[in-house]
Amino acid sequence: QSALTQPASVSGSPGQSITISCTGTSSDVGGYNYVSWYQQHPGKAPKLMIYDVSNRPSGVSNRFSGSKSGNTASLTISGLQAEDEADYYCSSYTSSSTRLYVFGTGTKVTVL
Amino acid sequence: QVQLVESGGGLVKPGGSLRLSCAASGFTFSDYYMSWIRQAPGKGLEWVSYISSSGSTIYYADSVKGRFTISRDNAKNSLYLQMNSLRAEDTAVYYCARHTVTNSDYWGQGTLVTVSS
Repeated sequence: QSALTQPASVSGSPGQSITISCTGTSSDVGGYNYVSWYQQHPGKAPKLMIYDVSNRPSGVSNRFSGSKSGNTASLTISGLQAEDEADYYCSSYTSSSTRLYVFGTGTKVTVL
Repeated sequence: QVQLVESGGGLVKPGGSLRLSCAASGFTFSDYYMSWIRQAPGKGLEWVSYISSSGSTIYYADSVKGRFTISRDNAKNSLYLQMNSLRAEDTAVYYCARHTVTNSDYWGQGTLVTVSS
């Protein structure tokens, strides 16, 4: 069973919007509205940014938004800022018999 | 505020054992499911194990099944991961995380486990 597929890197200039995709299957992303997104700065623990496809935890900027279509989920960061430069991981519940949750491969976001 | 503090990591030889602990505070520990998630150096995240609030339901990733044992002590607000028969590929930072139904909403700072001869 493979990890969810994310682009290795995405970049944008300050103020721009970028979108990170997360592609799975009907057994995970496509089958459940249980997609989460995590931000990880170097040497730090991951931080929950989006849960249940499109919900933001308290304290997370509304510049971060999530969506899903079929087997692909997306994270959009609007009004890109320098502090958004980090690694981003998606995650989904899975009906696989071998695991409960699966993470994406991770995307490095660079602010130009 | 929610705090999760892992401990117990270190250098161990292949085939050896290690027990990780996670001390929780700032929330009612016994109300929440908990997970261990790891990250090999320079690599992505990998979910390792999950335990229900009472400890009655447990899941493991295939990569650790039969070698790792997750447990919890709700009286001590603590989560544990007993790791046996360690392999080089188990080298990673191990995070404990509070788990809601669908996501891990709080993470500890992690503890590094290095398996090497």
